[in-house]
Amino acid sequence: QVQLVESGGGVVQPGRSLRLSCAASGFTFSNYPMHWLRQAPGKGLEWVAVISYDGVNKAYADSVKGRFTISRDNSKNTLYLQMSSLRVEDTAVYYCARDPWTTAVHYYFEYWGQGTLVTVSS
Amino acid sequence: EIGLTQSPDTLSLSPGERATLSCRASQSVSRNYLAWYQQKPGQAPRLLIYGASSRATGIPDRFSGSGSGTDFTLTMSRLEPEDFAVYYCQQYGSSPSFGQGTRLEIK
Repeated sequence: QVQLVESGGGVVQPGRSLRLSCAASGFTFSNYPMHWLRQAPGKGLEWVAVISYDGVNKAYADSVKGRFTISRDNSKNTLYLQMSSLRVEDTAVYYCARDPWTTAVHYYFEYWGQGTLVTVSS
Repeated sequence: EIGLTQSPDTLSLSPGERATLSCRASQSVSRNYLAWYQQKPGQAPRLLIYGASSRATGIPDRFSGSGSGTDFTLTMSRLEPEDFAVYYCQQYGSSPSFGQGTRLEIK
């Protein structure tokens, strides 16, 4: 079955960096676009970034553009989110999620990981 | 960005009753690209409906979605105890955005 497991969250000071990982299994990872989303404590959901199945195309929410970088290693079945210049408002549970279809991006989210908490605080 | 407003914020019903949740978009959602998710405390969201009315894999048929343009509805025909959760709508016709959520609680 499809499994997505995030890691790398923790407490970090404002202005510092952090890298999240998402290990995928149970499907052909290299065929699917992948996303990061986040949810601030007690708040709603926010899409963060997407990467195409081959890693060539990427897109970001305006709130993270220029600070976050999404990447993938298809040989390791792993998705990454490099977060730089972190702000207090980036505090959230970060989820990786799989696009429902192969190749083209559809921007809705069929499978989700359980999330990893990032807390930005001094 | 398309804004999504869900109503009501909280809905109090009893098991066995019918639930109707609304999602209104600030502009027309392209190709009715509207999805619904269920989220329980401490869990990731679960995809229920996509394309406004198509059920995702494994979703019971008591869940149904309808609507087009700017007005969409999620209906649960007879509530089961496990249906009490927070529900989010999401549009993906343009840069993806979510509604603020409707909390479905036991009356």
